Amino acid sequence: GEQVEQRPPHLSVREGDSAFITCTYTDPNSYYFFWYKQEPGASLQLLMKVFSSTEINEGQGFTVLLNKKDKRLSLNLTAAHPGDSAAYFCAVRATSSGQKLVFGQGTILKVYL
Amino acid sequence: EAAVTQSPRSKVAVTGGKVTLSCHQTNNHDYMYWYRQDTGHGLRLIHYSYVADSTEKGDIPDGYKASRPSQENFSLILELASLSQTAVYFCASSGDRGYAEQFFGPGTRLTVL
Repeated sequence: GEQVEQRPPHLSVREGDSAFITCTYTDPNSYYFFWYKQEPGASLQLLMKVFSSTEINEGQGFTVLLNKKDKRLSLNLTAAHPGDSAAYFCAVRATSSGQKLVFGQGTILKVYL
Repeated sequence: EAAVTQSPRSKVAVTGGKVTLSCHQTNNHDYMYWYRQDTGHGLRLIHYSYVADSTEKGDIPDGYKASRPSQENFSLILELASLSQTAVYFCASSGDRGYAEQFFGPGTRLTVL
């Protein structure tokens, strides 16, 4: 079945710098991709979802990149600020897994002043 | 607004005791899920359901049972709680389309002593 590997597990960046998180997946039939943010002690909130035909999606302060050839999904937080400190999870849906999502292990991001 | 609620929010149980975690959604979603979260493992799927009165095993179902008595409610049952089941448990719901994201509840912190 689908396997998702997320790197790095921990990331510390200075305020104003970029933070880059990557997930690689194995199932070539994966077709929908999600990024979730989990603030300390809180639940998961959707950041963005991307379809397999989309390569770049921009949100408020971040960019999601999808490379289907390399089976790689990335989240780039541009100009990080302390409010971005949280855990980030990618999740992948493949046709073989129905509605189930396979989650990456998570990245704990700390943004310091 | 979509809402998933969980009860209790935290619980301390004794080894060998029975624990029931409850989840309620007002999203009118067909799919509901139970995950556990452990440090370094991201979210792992325990059980899920796509229709009332039916449940399916996820990736780590051993030691857990699930019950879906109605579309809105989904319970996770630990018949004989063990120390290894100490974790944070999240319930989620989603629609049945490929692009449908999962909406998460606030989580239940379970400590088994």
